[in-house]
Amino acid sequence: AQTVTQSQPEMSVQEAETVTLSCTYDTSESNYYLFWYKQPPSRQMILVIRQEAYKQQNATENRFSVNFQKAAKSFSLKISDSQLGDTAMYFCAFMKPYQGAQKLVFGQGTRLTINP
Amino acid sequence: NAGVMQNPRHLVRRRGQEARLRCSPMKGHSHVYWYRQLPEEGLKFMVYLQKENIIDESGMPKERFSAEFPKEGPSILRIQQVVRGDSAAYFCASSQRDGYNEQFFGPGTRLTVL
Repeated sequence: AQTVTQSQPEMSVQEAETVTLSCTYDTSESNYYLFWYKQPPSRQMILVIRQEAYKQQNATENRFSVNFQKAAKSFSLKISDSQLGDTAMYFCAFMKPYQGAQKLVFGQGTRLTINP
Repeated sequence: NAGVMQNPRHLVRRRGQEARLRCSPMKGHSHVYWYRQLPEEGLKFMVYLQKENIIDESGMPKERFSAEFPKEGPSILRIQQVVRGDSAAYFCASSQRDGYNEQFFGPGTRLTVL
């Protein structure tokens, strides 16, 4: 079974700083998807960024980028020029790409606070 | 284009009562997933359904919990004889088709069992 581990329960940085959230996972699959979701106080789950394991290039979405290290099974999220609105819980998630196996496996989450 | 709808947003039940949670997927989506989030934890997969079919229920507790996604109408997650440990946020997500990786989440239903 796949597992996802986020080793940082909480992080706090000043506005405009850069912050990196860690995620490691365990799988015997060679192809899969990885995701970062944001959950603000409203509790709505928002997809931040996704990575397909067969793609070597790291995904980027504006201020959000990932460092995907397949051999190390590591998938960290970097937030540049952090903003107050980035304050939220962040969850790393794993998914197999096969039909009928679409469930997301989530980590425990990291609570990120951006201070003014 | 409306997103995934869940109702009610908040539900309070006394121990032993039944809870029914509803989920309407995004327009054009025929695949629904239910997840449970206990306080201070990540989301845990419960069940994956297509119209009139349960595809994967490996995360569903063996007793008291059931889910359906009928040909017409929303998907329903039903919890019979609720206990305090069922208190959690229940999220529904939908996707366009099998093999498509992005799931769009609803706002969740927070269930409180007194």
